[in-house]
Amino acid sequence: GNSVTQMEGPVTLSEEAFLTINCTYTATGYPSLFWYVQYPGEGLQLLLKATKADDKGSNKGFEATYRKETTSFHLEKGSVQVSDSAVYFCALRPPHDYKLSFGAGTTVTVRA
Amino acid sequence: GAGVSQSPSNKVTEKGKDVELRCDPISGHTALYWYRQSLGQGLEFLIYFQGNSAPDKSGLPSDRFSAERTGGSVSTLTIQRTQQEDSAVYLCASSLNGDAYEQYFGPGTRLTVT
Repeated sequence: GNSVTQMEGPVTLSEEAFLTINCTYTATGYPSLFWYVQYPGEGLQLLLKATKADDKGSNKGFEATYRKETTSFHLEKGSVQVSDSAVYFCALRPPHDYKLSFGAGTTVTVRA
Repeated sequence: GAGVSQSPSNKVTEKGKDVELRCDPISGHTALYWYRQSLGQGLEFLIYFQGNSAPDKSGLPSDRFSAERTGGSVSTLTIQRTQQEDSAVYLCASSLNGDAYEQYFGPGTRLTVT
């Protein structure tokens, strides 16, 4: 079956620190990969996505590269801000499918 | 334009009661999804509607759960005889069409069964 494993939190960082959240997946074929973010009190928002191997998704200073050889889609940001405090979810969608499979979520807190 | 809206935002109910949760998708979106976000299970797919096709109910955890979508727009998720393990945040999402399109999520309904 399809599954997503992401690093457990919580993660606490100081402002301007480097953030990495690891995500690996199990799926047949070439799924689409996503990072969603949930800010406090808000719904899930798509942060970035990649639909094929070696694609890099980027948005708001965040990046993630679709690595087929390591079945990974790690999220990175070079300099976090307090406003980046949120829960981050890695997700996949199999080819020709509509169901999203999510990781457990990683809570990130950035301190000023 | 308006995003996906859900109501109520919070619902507290007694064990054994029935509840209805509502979702208004983005206008023009033909695909609608329900997910559940709970502490023990993370985010799980529940049900999918696409146009006039028969819904994919494969994620519904028991026959106490049902959902309908009227007129291809508004959807209602009904949980009968609620149990404490039904406590979760129920998320609705919609997309322009099925598989290839981005899913836009609503703010969720937090259900607490006492």
